[in-house]
Amino acid sequence: GQNIDQPTEMTATEGAIVQINCTYQTSGFNGLFWYQQHAGEAPTFLSYNVLDGLEEKGRFSSFLSRSKGYSYLLLKELQMKDSASYLCAVDRGGSYIPTFGRGTSLIVHP
Amino acid sequence: EAQVTQNPRYLITVTGKKLTVTCSQNMNHEYMSWYRQDPGLGLRQIYYSMNVEVTDKGDVPEGYKVSRKEKRNFPLILESPSPNQTSLYFCASTSVVLAGDPTDTQYFGPGTRLTVL
Repeated sequence: GQNIDQPTEMTATEGAIVQINCTYQTSGFNGLFWYQQHAGEAPTFLSYNVLDGLEEKGRFSSFLSRSKGYSYLLLKELQMKDSASYLCAVDRGGSYIPTFGRGTSLIVHP
Repeated sequence: EAQVTQNPRYLITVTGKKLTVTCSQNMNHEYMSWYRQDPGLGLRQIYYSMNVEVTDKGDVPEGYKVSRKEKRNFPLILESPSPNQTSLYFCASTSVVLAGDPTDTQYFGPGTRLTVL
C-alpha cells in the first residue's frame, strides 16, 4: 500500500516564495512527480525526481530525500497564475504511472 | 501535435446503461492509465496498461473494465454505471525514454465529466 501526505491548502503573497511539502510511505519507490492542476483542467507535469537532492527548473524547484520519504516543491517569485492545486505523486515501480496524493490547493493573493 | 484525446468530454447517463469513454494518444506511448478525480480524494488510479494486451488494476478498479487492443487506444468501460461513479475522469499516457527520465513525456487528456443519475 501507499500513503502520500501533503497539506490541503496554503496561501501566499504575490512575489513571495512558498514550499509545498509531501511525505510518502509506499511499497516500492522509483521516483516522485510534481504536477500542477488548474481548476477544471488536466494536470500538467512539473518535475520528476529520482535521486536525492534539489532540481531547479526556472521558478520551480523540487527536492527529494529518499531515506526520509520526503519531497518538497519550491515556487519562487509567485505570480497570481500560480494559484492552482499542486499534486505530489509516487512512481511505485518504475512504470512512470504515478499514484497521487490528494493535492495542495495554493492561493496566491496580491 | 502530441496529444491525448478523450471522448466524450461530458456525459450524463442513467444507472445501468453501459457506456464507454474512449482515450487515444498519437505519441506511440507504451504506458497508459485511467484516473478518477473526486473532491477531497484527489486523483485515484483505476486501471493502467504497460503495453498492448497488458492491463492491471489500479487502486479503485471496481465497476470498471479496460482493454488495450492497440497501442494508441485505451477505452474505459462502465458495464453498469452507478451514481457513485459520477466523477471527473482523466486518461494519461507516458513514454519510457532511454534515459529513464519522463520529463516532457507525461501527458493527460482533457478529462471527461461523467454524471450518473
